[in-house]
Amino acid sequence: GENVEQHPSTLSVQEGDSAVIKCTYSDSASNYFPWYKQELGKRPQLIIDIRSNVGEKKDQRIAVTLNKTAKHFSLHITETQPEDSAVYFCAAPRLGGGADGLTFGKGTHLIIQP
Amino acid sequence: DTGVSQDPRHKITKRGQNVTFRCDPISEHNRLYWYRQTLGQGPEFLTYFQNEAQLEKSRLLSDRFSAERPKGSFSTLEIQRTEQGDSAMYLCASSSREKLFFGSGTQLSVL
Repeated sequence: GENVEQHPSTLSVQEGDSAVIKCTYSDSASNYFPWYKQELGKRPQLIIDIRSNVGEKKDQRIAVTLNKTAKHFSLHITETQPEDSAVYFCAAPRLGGGADGLTFGKGTHLIIQP
Repeated sequence: DTGVSQDPRHKITKRGQNVTFRCDPISEHNRLYWYRQTLGQGPEFLTYFQNEAQLEKSRLLSDRFSAERPKGSFSTLEIQRTEQGDSAMYLCASSSREKLFFGSGTQLSVL
């Protein structure tokens, strides 16, 4: 099965600066990589995802990059705002294809300092 | 609300009691997943269904845990003889392909 490592566990940035969170995965057959945002006491919500046939995907202030050779992918948040404060989880398919569910990283607590 | 719904939101029980949680997935989704999340950790896979068939159970799921999805619609997760180590957030998710959509979870506290 897949193994996902995420770092850092905590990231503090000044409002307006950029934040980068990195994940590595173990299964070279994995082809789908989502990122979830979880605010305190709320459900994990999908914020962006990428498939293995592209190297980068952007959605306004957030972007995800994928390096298949190195088996790592990263979340980039630019012009951070207070509402970006949350725990972010990366994930990869448990068994390669994705329909069997996801394996999650341990999460990164992002703190936006005013 | 057409999202994934879970009931109850919170459950407090005494050690040794049985508890049951319910999940109603997004109606057009044929796959349903149960995850467990403890403080400071990511969601951990427990089991999943395609329609009414339970396709896999994690080794995390002891024989005190049982899940059902009759008629391929809602699902229930039952924990028998609860232990303090069962205290966690139990999350349900549904999907039609790879994208998982989570419910708000049931927070279980075993005293």
